[in-house]
Amino acid sequence: NAGVMQNPRHLVRRRGQEARLRCSPMKGHSHVYWYRQLPEEGLKFMVYLQKENIIDESGMPKERFSAEFPKEGPSILRIQQVVRGDSAAYFCASSPPPAQGVENIQYFGAGTRLSVL
Amino acid sequence: KQEVTQIPAALSVPEGENLVLNCSFTDSAIYNLQWFRQDPGKGLTSLLLIQSSQREQTSGRLNASLDKSSGRSTLYIAASQPGDSATYLCAVGSNTGKLIFGQGTTLQVKP
Repeated sequence: NAGVMQNPRHLVRRRGQEARLRCSPMKGHSHVYWYRQLPEEGLKFMVYLQKENIIDESGMPKERFSAEFPKEGPSILRIQQVVRGDSAAYFCASSPPPAQGVENIQYFGAGTRLSVL
Repeated sequence: KQEVTQIPAALSVPEGENLVLNCSFTDSAIYNLQWFRQDPGKGLTSLLLIQSSQREQTSGRLNASLDKSSGRSTLYIAASQPGDSATYLCAVGSNTGKLIFGQGTTLQVKP
């Protein structure tokens, strides 16, 4: 059972380009979370998605950032018109559907390191 | 607003020492608390998950405790080894699923 897969591992973009980060959750997991780790800072929650639904996007910047988790395929975090301040490590985590009385562990991918030139 | 703080920010110990990493949180109404390990340039590995109704969890040389009333958790590492060198992150889970992380404690265990 493969773990959470993120690709690409490293992504270089020039200012103004678009960045697309992909996350394939663990098999059987229907919940996906995106976090961002800025240089010298801790991880910050961005968005929580279930299949075809955004559950909590309270950590997403108001502009240029969007996320989706379609019925088929990976979850995508999309950053339009990237700026240097978007340079960070972006981590995806997944968890199985909540089971009554069980609090689920989030399993993290290795991350995508975005560098904006 | 929940805030998570980890002390110390960095720690260096000789091999074989027992050590304690501290985590505090401002809102005691938590869903769970997780301890993670992060190696440089890598992702996060979950070490221990403590449910809100529990007081501690153990895995091998690791023991994590939770005191919700005082807003504190500790991670105890017994007989530290150079391979334990990494950044340790504490994260508080909310009922919406998201995790709120501390800044981490970077541990160096010297041979």
